[in-house]
Amino acid sequence: DQQVKQNSPSLSVQEGRISILNCDYTNSMFDYFLWYKKYPAEGPTFLISISSIKDKNEDGRFTVFLNKSAKHLSLHIVPSQPGDSAVYFCAASPDNAGNNRKLIWGLGTSLAVNP
Amino acid sequence: NAGVMQNPRHLVRRRGQEARLRCSPMKGHSHVYWYRQLPEEGLKFMVYLQKENIIDESGMPKERFSAEFPKEGPSILRIQQVVRGDSAAYFCASSPGGSGGYTFGSGTRLTVV
Repeated sequence: DQQVKQNSPSLSVQEGRISILNCDYTNSMFDYFLWYKKYPAEGPTFLISISSIKDKNEDGRFTVFLNKSAKHLSLHIVPSQPGDSAVYFCAASPDNAGNNRKLIWGLGTSLAVNP
Repeated sequence: NAGVMQNPRHLVRRRGQEARLRCSPMKGHSHVYWYRQLPEEGLKFMVYLQKENIIDESGMPKERFSAEFPKEGPSILRIQQVVRGDSAAYFCASSPGGSGGYTFGSGTRLTVV
């Protein structure tokens, strides 16, 4: 039972264009969402997060949008660069009040940015 | 300012042996999380520890797996009598507590032969 779903296993975009990575969730108790980036043989690296009280959070080239009614979030990367090629994981947390940041993860989307 | 250090990076064990995975959190971090990534799967939460306390072990298999985070020294994930199905990448993450993303180590890749 996958509570966080990333339905596109892979995505290929041209350098300079926008990359849009999508994530859907089923548990309405999730109230904090994060995106991580992972290179081969390395641990995931935190990219950007969003709380359920917001619908958008922006950090440089990265913007995360949250649509609570649709239980959907997306990560936009503009402009995409070859160094962005990695696996992107969407994660959600059911606990925004405490320290137990137990995260529920999607299966990841492999992004390839072509020069 | 070292990040989260995990060792060993690669560990090969024969079926029935014990595996010990170590995680040193970032300086100043007192919260440690262990995750496992099986082949072709996403990361799965295993256990959340603070110094000398297991806070949430709901993701730990009921048998053969244990974790600790002593007052001094690294956090240890211990797998007794390993089986082939334990082959996976085991990631440790640490945080200072509170909200926000936490920092992962590079993982330990366990192979059971």
